Amino acid sequence: DQQVKQNSPSLSVQEGRISILNCDYTNSMFDYFLWYKKYPAEGPTFLISISSIKDKNEDGRFTVFLNKSAKHLSLHIVPSQPGDSAVYFCAARDSGNTPLVFGKGTRLSVIA
Amino acid sequence: EPEVTQTPSHQVTQMGQEVILRCVPISNHLYFYWYRQILGQKVEFLVSFYNNEISEKSEIFDDQFSVERPDGSNFTLKIRSTKLEDSAMYFCASRGWTGNTIYFGEGSWLTVV
Repeated sequence: DQQVKQNSPSLSVQEGRISILNCDYTNSMFDYFLWYKKYPAEGPTFLISISSIKDKNEDGRFTVFLNKSAKHLSLHIVPSQPGDSAVYFCAARDSGNTPLVFGKGTRLSVIA
Repeated sequence: EPEVTQTPSHQVTQMGQEVILRCVPISNHLYFYWYRQILGQKVEFLVSFYNNEISEKSEIFDDQFSVERPDGSNFTLKIRSTKLEDSAMYFCASRGWTGNTIYFGEGSWLTVV
């Protein structure tokens, strides 16, 4: 039962271009969404989040868009840099002390 | 910047042995979690802990697993009798009272042989 789906296991982007990572969810009770970046053998590092009352949140090169009607969110990285190469996880939770549910991740490779 | 710290970073243990993974969550956080990631798979929830008790656990968190907050700073995960399939990266995480963001430690890589 995949409540959070990242259908692209990998993505390659040229340095300087935009990276768009997509995520779909099925649970309409989710009201908070997060993106984490993970390097091999390290813990997930929080990147950016968005609550369900918003449709966009921006932090520097990173922007997250939420489309509640489509149960879809995306992370845009612009411009992409080689240091952005990592696995990106989408995660979601509903209100209260509920655990995060993670997608399977998308491996982003930014090519110089 | 405050961070979640975990020890050991890597442990190799024989099947059937007990393992304790240790975590020091961010100091003013109140919610604590353990997740794990088997190599090549997604990050999976194990257990959440609040107010000195388990608030939620997954199917993975069976009777072989236990968690404890023995003092005001540490949060431990114990695997009583390890199995080969317990080999994974185990992540501790914590969250504050008002925040929605969960912060993860660097992970403890457990190899069961």
